[in-house]
Amino acid sequence: NAGVTQTPKFQVLKTGQSMTLQCAQDMNHEYMSWYRQDPGMGLRLIHYSVGAGITDQGEVPNGYNVSRSTTEDFPLRLLSAAPSQTSVYFCASSSAGIAAKNIQYFGAGTRLSVL
Amino acid sequence: TQLLKQSPQFLSIQEGENLTVYCNSSSVFSSLQWYRQEPGEGPVLLVTVVTGGEVKKLKRLTFQFGDARKDSSLHITAAQPGDTGLYLCAGRMDSSYKLIFGSGTRLLVRP
Repeated sequence: NAGVTQTPKFQVLKTGQSMTLQCAQDMNHEYMSWYRQDPGMGLRLIHYSVGAGITDQGEVPNGYNVSRSTTEDFPLRLLSAAPSQTSVYFCASSSAGIAAKNIQYFGAGTRLSVL
Repeated sequence: TQLLKQSPQFLSIQEGENLTVYCNSSSVFSSLQWYRQEPGEGPVLLVTVVTGGEVKKLKRLTFQFGDARKDSSLHITAAQPGDTGLYLCAGRMDSSYKLIFGSGTRLLVRP
Protein backbone atom coordinates (compact mmCIF):
# COMPACT_ATOMS: atom_id res chain seq x y z
CA ASN A 1 0.00 0.00 0.00
CA ALA A 2 1.44 3.35 -1.05
CA GLY A 3 -0.88 5.36 1.23
CA VAL A 4 -0.48 9.10 0.58
CA THR A 5 2.13 10.03 -2.03
CA GLN A 6 3.44 13.55 -2.45
CA THR A 7 5.61 14.82 -5.28
CA PRO A 8 8.06 16.42 -5.55
CA LYS A 9 9.92 15.91 -2.26
CA PHE A 10 11.95 19.09 -2.73
CA GLN A 11 11.44 22.20 -4.87
CA VAL A 12 13.14 25.55 -5.24
CA LEU A 13 11.23 28.36 -6.91
CA LYS A 14 11.92 31.95 -7.78
CA THR A 15 9.52 34.63 -6.61
CA GLY A 16 6.60 34.89 -9.03
CA GLN A 17 6.88 31.38 -10.45
CA SER A 18 3.93 29.04 -10.32
CA MET A 19 3.90 25.35 -9.56
CA THR A 20 1.67 22.46 -8.53
CA LEU A 21 2.32 20.16 -5.60
CA GLN A 22 0.89 16.74 -6.27
CA CYS A 23 -0.91 14.51 -3.78
CA ALA A 24 -2.40 11.09 -4.47
CA GLN A 25 -3.93 8.50 -2.15
CA ASP A 26 -4.87 4.91 -2.89
CA MET A 27 -7.10 4.26 0.14
CA ASN A 28 -10.35 5.54 -1.44
CA HIS A 29 -10.58 8.23 1.23
CA GLU A 30 -13.19 10.94 0.88
CA TYR A 31 -11.48 13.60 2.95
CA MET A 32 -8.18 15.18 1.83
CA SER A 33 -6.37 18.23 3.12
CA TRP A 34 -3.25 20.34 2.68
CA TYR A 35 -1.21 21.74 5.56
CA ARG A 36 1.90 23.83 5.81
CA GLN A 37 4.37 23.37 8.64
CA ASP A 38 6.59 26.21 9.79
CA PRO A 39 8.99 26.20 12.75
CA GLY A 40 7.20 26.67 16.05
CA MET A 41 3.75 26.81 14.47
CA GLY A 42 2.66 23.22 14.13
CA LEU A 43 0.57 22.46 11.04
CA ARG A 44 -1.85 24.98 9.60
CA LEU A 45 -4.69 23.96 7.31
CA ILE A 46 -4.57 25.52 3.83
CA HIS A 47 -7.46 23.87 1.94
CA TYR A 48 -9.48 20.71 2.33
CA SER A 49 -11.94 18.59 0.38
CA VAL A 50 -14.72 16.31 1.60
CA GLY A 51 -15.11 14.59 -1.77
CA ALA A 52 -14.61 14.91 -5.51
CA GLY A 53 -15.78 18.32 -6.72
CA ILE A 54 -16.00 19.80 -3.20
CA THR A 55 -13.29 22.00 -1.71
CA ASP A 56 -13.15 24.61 1.04
CA GLN A 57 -10.68 27.00 2.64
CA GLY A 58 -8.75 26.37 5.81
CA GLU A 59 -6.86 28.79 8.07
CA VAL A 60 -4.29 30.08 5.55
CA PRO A 61 -5.71 29.77 1.99
CA ASN A 62 -4.35 32.96 0.42
CA GLY A 63 -1.97 32.36 -2.48
CA TYR A 64 -3.06 28.74 -2.97
CA ASN A 65 -5.65 27.06 -5.18
CA VAL A 66 -6.99 23.50 -5.10
CA SER A 67 -9.31 21.30 -7.10
CA ARG A 68 -10.59 17.76 -6.60
CA SER A 69 -11.60 16.17 -9.89
CA THR A 70 -11.06 12.59 -8.66
CA THR A 71 -11.19 10.85 -5.29
CA GLU A 72 -7.51 9.94 -5.54
CA ASP A 73 -5.87 13.27 -6.38
CA PHE A 74 -5.78 16.63 -4.61
CA PRO A 75 -3.20 18.99 -6.18
CA LEU A 76 -2.17 22.26 -4.54
CA ARG A 77 -1.33 25.15 -6.87
CA LEU A 78 0.84 28.13 -6.04
CA LEU A 79 -0.15 30.83 -8.52
CA SER A 80 2.70 33.30 -7.92
CA ALA A 81 5.20 32.05 -5.36
CA ALA A 82 6.35 34.38 -2.59
CA PRO A 83 9.18 33.93 -0.04
CA SER A 84 6.52 33.71 2.69
CA GLN A 85 5.40 30.43 1.12
CA THR A 86 8.72 28.78 1.95
CA SER A 87 7.60 25.89 4.10
CA VAL A 88 7.08 22.16 4.33
CA TYR A 89 3.76 21.10 2.84
CA PHE A 90 1.87 18.01 3.94
CA CYS A 91 -1.07 16.34 2.31
CA ALA A 92 -3.36 14.11 4.39
CA SER A 93 -6.34 11.88 3.74
CA SER A 94 -8.95 10.16 5.87
CA SER A 95 -12.09 8.15 5.43
CA ALA A 96 -15.57 9.41 6.23
CA GLY A 97 -17.29 8.19 9.36
CA ILE A 98 -17.36 9.44 12.93
CA ALA A 99 -15.36 12.67 12.75
CA ALA A 100 -14.21 12.50 16.36
CA LYS A 101 -12.37 9.22 15.78
CA ASN A 102 -11.22 10.05 12.27
CA ILE A 103 -7.59 9.15 11.51
CA GLN A 104 -5.64 11.31 9.09
CA TYR A 105 -2.84 9.68 7.13
CA PHE A 106 -0.06 12.04 6.08
CA GLY A 107 2.31 12.02 3.15
CA ALA A 108 6.06 12.50 3.62
CA GLY A 109 5.91 16.18 2.71
CA THR A 110 7.22 18.56 0.06
CA ARG A 111 9.94 20.95 1.11
CA LEU A 112 9.55 24.20 -0.81
CA SER A 113 11.95 27.14 -0.88
CA VAL A 114 11.00 30.37 -2.62
CA LEU A 115 13.93 32.68 -3.34
CA THR B 1 -3.44 33.13 17.64
CA GLN B 2 -2.67 29.53 18.51
CA LEU B 3 -5.82 27.81 19.78
CA LEU B 4 -3.85 24.88 21.13
CA LYS B 5 -0.71 25.71 23.11
CA GLN B 6 1.83 23.03 23.80
CA SER B 7 4.47 23.10 26.50
CA PRO B 8 7.30 22.77 26.72
CA GLN B 9 8.46 23.62 23.21
CA PHE B 10 11.71 21.69 23.64
CA LEU B 11 12.69 18.93 26.02
CA SER B 12 16.06 17.22 26.30
CA ILE B 13 16.24 14.38 28.83
CA GLN B 14 18.36 11.37 29.72
CA GLU B 15 17.24 7.86 28.84
CA GLY B 16 15.16 6.40 31.66
CA GLU B 17 13.65 9.69 32.84
CA ASN B 18 9.93 10.44 32.87
CA LEU B 19 8.34 13.43 31.16
CA THR B 20 4.99 15.12 30.57
CA VAL B 21 3.93 17.24 27.62
CA TYR B 22 0.93 19.54 27.91
CA CYS B 23 -1.63 20.73 25.38
CA ASN B 24 -3.88 23.55 26.59
CA SER B 25 -6.70 25.66 25.21
CA SER B 26 -9.45 27.98 26.37
CA SER B 27 -11.77 26.29 23.87
CA VAL B 28 -13.67 23.02 24.17
CA PHE B 29 -12.77 20.23 21.77
CA SER B 30 -14.99 17.33 20.72
CA SER B 31 -11.92 15.12 20.41
CA LEU B 32 -8.18 15.40 20.67
CA GLN B 33 -5.41 13.46 19.00
CA TRP B 34 -1.69 13.08 19.58
CA TYR B 35 0.70 12.60 16.67
CA ARG B 36 4.41 11.89 16.54
CA GLN B 37 6.56 13.14 13.69
CA GLU B 38 10.09 12.06 12.82
CA PRO B 39 12.47 14.12 10.64
CA GLY B 40 11.61 13.96 6.95
CA GLU B 41 8.28 12.27 7.52
CA GLY B 42 4.66 13.20 8.08
CA PRO B 43 2.92 12.97 11.46
CA VAL B 44 1.66 9.56 12.57
CA LEU B 45 -1.32 9.18 14.87
CA LEU B 46 -0.63 7.82 18.37
CA VAL B 47 -4.03 8.10 20.04
CA THR B 48 -7.47 9.71 19.95
CA VAL B 49 -9.36 10.73 23.11
CA VAL B 50 -13.00 11.73 22.93
CA THR B 51 -14.42 11.69 26.48
CA GLY B 52 -13.65 14.24 29.19
CA GLY B 53 -11.44 12.61 31.82
CA GLU B 54 -10.48 9.77 29.51
CA VAL B 55 -7.10 8.11 30.05
CA LYS B 56 -5.48 5.90 27.44
CA LYS B 57 -2.27 3.94 27.73
CA LEU B 58 -0.01 2.87 24.89
CA LYS B 59 2.86 0.87 26.40
CA ARG B 60 4.98 3.54 28.20
CA LEU B 61 2.82 6.44 26.96
CA THR B 62 -0.20 7.66 28.94
CA PHE B 63 -2.63 10.15 27.43
CA GLN B 64 -5.23 12.08 29.36
CA PHE B 65 -8.09 14.29 28.18
CA GLY B 66 -9.14 16.98 30.66
CA ASP B 67 -12.55 16.78 32.31
CA ALA B 68 -13.68 19.95 30.54
CA ARG B 69 -12.20 18.78 27.20
CA LYS B 70 -10.00 21.89 26.96
CA ASP B 71 -6.64 20.28 27.64
CA SER B 72 -4.66 17.09 27.35
CA SER B 73 -1.37 15.63 28.49
CA LEU B 74 1.06 13.01 27.30
CA HIS B 75 3.22 11.27 29.90
CA ILE B 76 6.15 9.06 28.92
CA THR B 77 7.61 6.69 31.48
CA ALA B 78 11.25 5.62 31.27
CA ALA B 79 11.93 7.46 28.03
CA GLN B 80 14.08 5.77 25.39
CA PRO B 81 16.10 7.25 22.50
CA GLY B 82 13.47 5.83 20.14
CA ASP B 83 10.94 8.25 21.67
CA THR B 84 12.85 11.18 20.15
CA GLY B 85 10.69 13.21 17.81
CA LEU B 86 8.16 16.02 17.48
CA TYR B 87 4.94 15.46 19.40
CA LEU B 88 1.85 17.27 18.14
CA CYS B 89 -1.58 17.54 19.68
CA ALA B 90 -4.52 18.23 17.39
CA GLY B 91 -8.17 18.85 18.19
CA ARG B 92 -11.56 19.02 16.56
CA MET B 93 -13.95 21.68 17.79
CA ASP B 94 -17.11 20.28 16.25
CA SER B 95 -18.33 17.41 14.12
CA SER B 96 -16.20 18.44 11.14
CA TYR B 97 -13.09 16.63 9.96
CA LYS B 98 -10.91 19.73 10.29
CA LEU B 99 -8.01 19.40 12.73
CA ILE B 100 -6.41 22.27 14.65
CA PHE B 101 -2.80 21.53 15.54
CA GLY B 102 -0.72 22.71 18.44
CA SER B 103 2.75 24.16 17.91
CA GLY B 104 4.49 20.93 18.91
CA THR B 105 6.98 19.69 21.50
CA ARG B 106 10.37 18.58 20.26
CA LEU B 107 11.71 15.75 22.45
CA LEU B 108 15.31 14.54 22.51
CA VAL B 109 16.14 11.49 24.61
CA ARG B 110 19.88 11.13 25.11
CA PRO B 111 21.35 7.62 25.54
